[in-house]
Amino acid sequence: DAGITQSPRHKVTETGTPVTLRCHQTENHRYMYWYRQDPGHGLRLIHYSYGVKDTDKGEVSDGYSVSRSKTEDFLLTLESATSSQTSVYFCAISEKVNTGELFFGEGSRLTVL
Amino acid sequence: EDKVVQSPLSLVVHEGDTVTLNCSYEVTNFRSLLWYKQEKKAPTFLFMLTSSGIEKKSGRLSSILDKKELSSILNITATQTGDSAIYLCAVLPQGGSEKLVFGKGTKLTVNP
Repeated sequence: DAGITQSPRHKVTETGTPVTLRCHQTENHRYMYWYRQDPGHGLRLIHYSYGVKDTDKGEVSDGYSVSRSKTEDFLLTLESATSSQTSVYFCAISEKVNTGELFFGEGSRLTVL
Repeated sequence: EDKVVQSPLSLVVHEGDTVTLNCSYEVTNFRSLLWYKQEKKAPTFLFMLTSSGIEKKSGRLSSILDKKELSSILNITATQTGDSAIYLCAVLPQGGSEKLVFGKGTKLTVNP
């Protein structure tokens, strides 16, 4: 299994508070992604990174920011959490471009009250 | 807007049955179609289908891409309880990015 660790795995927070989710990989893969998964919507891409300090937006990026200062770490930040951001967040990595073959982390369940 | 539609959304079968899961897509510039299996937690990769590889098989699972109909099917023969999962279809458009577009998934339940 690909070495991907997400933290925290579970978090409950209140509306308006900042939240940071961390994705750590030991595979030295170039590409990293953040998805959210919600009932009725499937997996939707929030942001992705194609290298250190190189990131791009996905289809649901509003309200989220990311940073990648090292190959192994990709951080997802909710500057001011809202209830609509209650979701399960998955980090994924891939080694090569043009394959679509992603390795996913175990997910982080975030509840915003 | 790129779109992936899966059907049915859920399916309950008995062990030993054969099932067919459907995926249709609307993508501006198609590159490949992928199937993932999601049991309790992380999705895991099953197959990738492209214009040059329209049929894939692995054990009891097989998948075919129909580029004319813009669709794909995932077949599972002789189902087992361990096949119970959500099966996700995703499309990778052309364009140099890795922005997979996922369908909502089909939840398969295999009863003993």
